[in-house]
Amino acid sequence: AQSVSQHNHHVILSEAASLELGCNYSYGGTVNLFWYVQYPGQHLQLLLKYFSGDPLVKGIKGFEAEFIKSKFSFNLRKPSVQWSDTAEYFCAVNNAGNMLTFGGGTRLMVKP
Amino acid sequence: AAGVIQSPRHLIKEKRETATLKCYPIPRHDTVYWYQQGPGQDPQFLISFYEKMQSDKGSIPDRFSAQQFSDYHSELNMSSLELGDSALYFCASSSRGTNTEAFFGQGTRLTVV
Repeated sequence: AQSVSQHNHHVILSEAASLELGCNYSYGGTVNLFWYVQYPGQHLQLLLKYFSGDPLVKGIKGFEAEFIKSKFSFNLRKPSVQWSDTAEYFCAVNNAGNMLTFGGGTRLMVKP
Repeated sequence: AAGVIQSPRHLIKEKRETATLKCYPIPRHDTVYWYQQGPGQDPQFLISFYEKMQSDKGSIPDRFSAQQFSDYHSELNMSSLELGDSALYFCASSSRGTNTEAFFGQGTRLTVV
């Protein structure tokens, strides 16, 4: 069975600080990797995804993630966060058509 | 573009009552997933359907059942509701195959009192 772990449960940053959220997964086969964002009271929205090809993936709102196969990691980064990035971030994994398995989420608070 | 539609958006039920949640996938999507997200929790997979047949089953209680209809919409039926069933229930849809992503609806917030 696949599993996903996110190391940081709560992160507090000041505006303009750089962000990196860790995500590790366990699954032996080919996986698709995702980062979703959930703003307060809202549904999950896709930030970015990795299926194959360039391991550095760029998503919306200036986010990017790097897939490192040898480390089973898919860390999310943003060079300079904004107050509007305050949200919960979920890393997720699936293997070609199967259901998504989510990590525990990281709650990010950006102080203005 | 059409998105995943869930209804109702909010639902309040009493203990031991039943509830039915509906999900209308994006047109031409053949796969529907149901997730439960408790307060402060990550989404937990409940069940999925592909072409109207159950394809995967997660941590769905026996009190819950679901099905996908001929028009691909899906319903999650919840009986003998408990206080712990209070959660946000998300539906997602996708088109089966490799390199596809799931699109989420806005969720139904169920409160059991």
